[in-house]
Amino acid sequence: TQLLEQSPQFLSIQEGENLTVYCNSSSVFSSLQWYRQEPGEGPVLLVTVVTGGEVKKLKRLTFQFGDARKDSSLHITAAQPGDTGLYLCAGPPSNDYKLSFGAGTTVTVRA
Amino acid sequence: DTAVSQTPKYLVTQMGNDKSIKCEQNLGHDTMYWYKQDSKKFLKIMFSYNNKELIINETVPNRFSPKSPDKAHLNLHINSLELGDSAVYFCASSQSKPRTSGRWTGELFFGEGSRLTVL
Repeated sequence: TQLLEQSPQFLSIQEGENLTVYCNSSSVFSSLQWYRQEPGEGPVLLVTVVTGGEVKKLKRLTFQFGDARKDSSLHITAAQPGDTGLYLCAGPPSNDYKLSFGAGTTVTVRA
Repeated sequence: DTAVSQTPKYLVTQMGNDKSIKCEQNLGHDTMYWYKQDSKKFLKIMFSYNNKELIINETVPNRFSPKSPDKAHLNLHINSLELGDSAVYFCASSQSKPRTSGRWTGELFFGEGSRLTVL
């Protein structure tokens, strides 16, 4: 059983469209991180959210941490082909210190 | 200059063989990890070392043995390889070690991965 559930599993959109990826859990997390992994590479950290309700922006990417610290979302505005990749959420549950990863959302942005 | 480097990047071997994957980080981090990514892209932690001390040892067959000669290196040796060991193995490092108190927000720096195929 995975602690973090991501949805959708796959997402294919046209360049210029918006998309949202979700990361949900029944557990409370101390913090949540979002990573992007490109084919043949290791995951690279995009952002860490720590406070319930926190919103962070990274250019066209907006990350939100749920008020109860059980969920997070990643919204991409005007997606570009360079946004293509596997998006992974990860975090340490508040009663543990080991980083758990979600199964990821594969995003494909078509030119 | 690669921050976290793993070798080899690809490894194809027969069932029953023994193989090793090496990892080195030049970031000066204290903590290193091995993760396994299966065919469904799910990343699962296997081991973690902090300053050469084993701090995380998940439920992994004892055919897998990590070794950290110093804090910049973490190797993974696998004995008697099985078909189910086929996966991509990622080494990672972080500046601080995971902690049970407070909020740990350590960033993980991953290597490029080592794809192991067992025939």
